[in-house]
Amino acid sequence: DADVTQTPRNRITKTGKRIMLECSQTKGHDRMYWYRQDPGLGLRLIYYSFDVKDINKGEISDGYSVSRQAQAKFSLSLESAIPNQTALYFCATSDPRDNQPQHFGDGTRLSIL
Amino acid sequence: QKEVEQDPGPLSVPEGAIVSLNCTYSNSAFQYFMWYRQYSRKGPELLMYTYSSGNKEDGRFTAQVDKSSKYISLFIRDSQPSDSATYLCAASGSNDYKLSFGAGTTVTVRA
Repeated sequence: DADVTQTPRNRITKTGKRIMLECSQTKGHDRMYWYRQDPGLGLRLIYYSFDVKDINKGEISDGYSVSRQAQAKFSLSLESAIPNQTALYFCATSDPRDNQPQHFGDGTRLSIL
Repeated sequence: QKEVEQDPGPLSVPEGAIVSLNCTYSNSAFQYFMWYRQYSRKGPELLMYTYSSGNKEDGRFTAQVDKSSKYISLFIRDSQPSDSATYLCAASGSNDYKLSFGAGTTVTVRA
């Protein structure tokens, strides 16, 4: 089984809909992250969390919100989806003792029509 | 301007060739440097991880960091078709959880 699991793997939806992407991990890491990946732009950080009570904005948090339900679960929501949020979304985890290497899930391909 | 710049390619080489991938960065505070490999429809997978300047070798892969010129390199020797993927460079500072990624270079190794 994958260490970092993202659901759904693919989602097509319409403008204005509320969307939730979920991430769960079995690595026991405290730190979790949400990124989006767009062609030519690489990975950009949306939100990150160092523990259940700690949530922080990344470089592109507008239009997104997150919830850290447990150490192992971190969900990303788009309250009112818009077409330019069409992208690949990745969840990642890290152990602070590792000094930064992050471990990624296989992503959610989100298309907003 | 992005803190880490990477030529997106694409790069196509014959099997057995040496693949050379490069990134430049602008933030002098970066201390940790990573290369990730990403196959189609998969998440990035950590390939190499180095601290400060110098070389690191792991099998057919060699990562180099030159902090004086702010240059990050990855070399793949005896390339195989299974090396066909997108390669992402990334960097971060000490005590800094934030990773800055390059855009990724798509590599195809032709059999």
